[in-house]
Amino acid sequence: QKEVEQDPGPLSVPEGAIVSLNCTYSNSAFQYFMWYRQYSRKGPELLMYTYSSGNKEDGRFTAQVDKSSKYISLFIRDSQPSDSATYLCAMTLAGKSTFGDGTTLTVKP
Amino acid sequence: EADIYQTPRYLVIGTGKKITLECSQTMGHDKMYWYQQDPGMELHLIHYSYGVNSTEKGDLSSESTVSRIRTEHFPLTLESARPSHTSQYLCASSQGNNSPLHFGNGTRLTVT
Repeated sequence: QKEVEQDPGPLSVPEGAIVSLNCTYSNSAFQYFMWYRQYSRKGPELLMYTYSSGNKEDGRFTAQVDKSSKYISLFIRDSQPSDSATYLCAMTLAGKSTFGDGTTLTVKP
Repeated sequence: EADIYQTPRYLVIGTGKKITLECSQTMGHDKMYWYQQDPGMELHLIHYSYGVNSTEKGDLSSESTVSRIRTEHFPLTLESARPSHTSQYLCASSQGNNSPLHFGNGTRLTVT
């Protein structure tokens, strides 16, 4: 069993929709939780970084962590075509990051 | 603007050739990493370094080797490329133990 499972997608939504991306994990020792966005032919870039359970908001993006359920989510409000990318969840323990497989999102104008 | 640079971006090479993938960062980060990424698959850590003259193998077994002679430079070498090495190789760096990673734009390697 993988340590991090990410909803596989792909996901296609109309512009303006609310998007929910989700990951579950099995190792309760994971300490930090991240979401990366990866455009085609580019490296991943950090989108959200959080430590504690609860919500963290940054513009149209909200990261949610539920440590008791071992579940993290990324919500995108008012999605835009420029949000079309692959989204990777990641979590760290003792300096090592473990990634989900990624969810590819397409936002149609 | 990328603070971590990888060259070449694309490389097509024949079986048996020796190759070196270059990675440099200008942020002064002590920690650097190499990941392998296949389409639709998770990133697999193949090598990491926590400082000069420190290198370790990652979770995914790899026939490649790395060196860390300077803080800013972390090249990856394949002594004899094979078609099974065809993949995207991503270099990353980070500041602290659990800090987020800064990635380069990758080298897409094809071995024919």
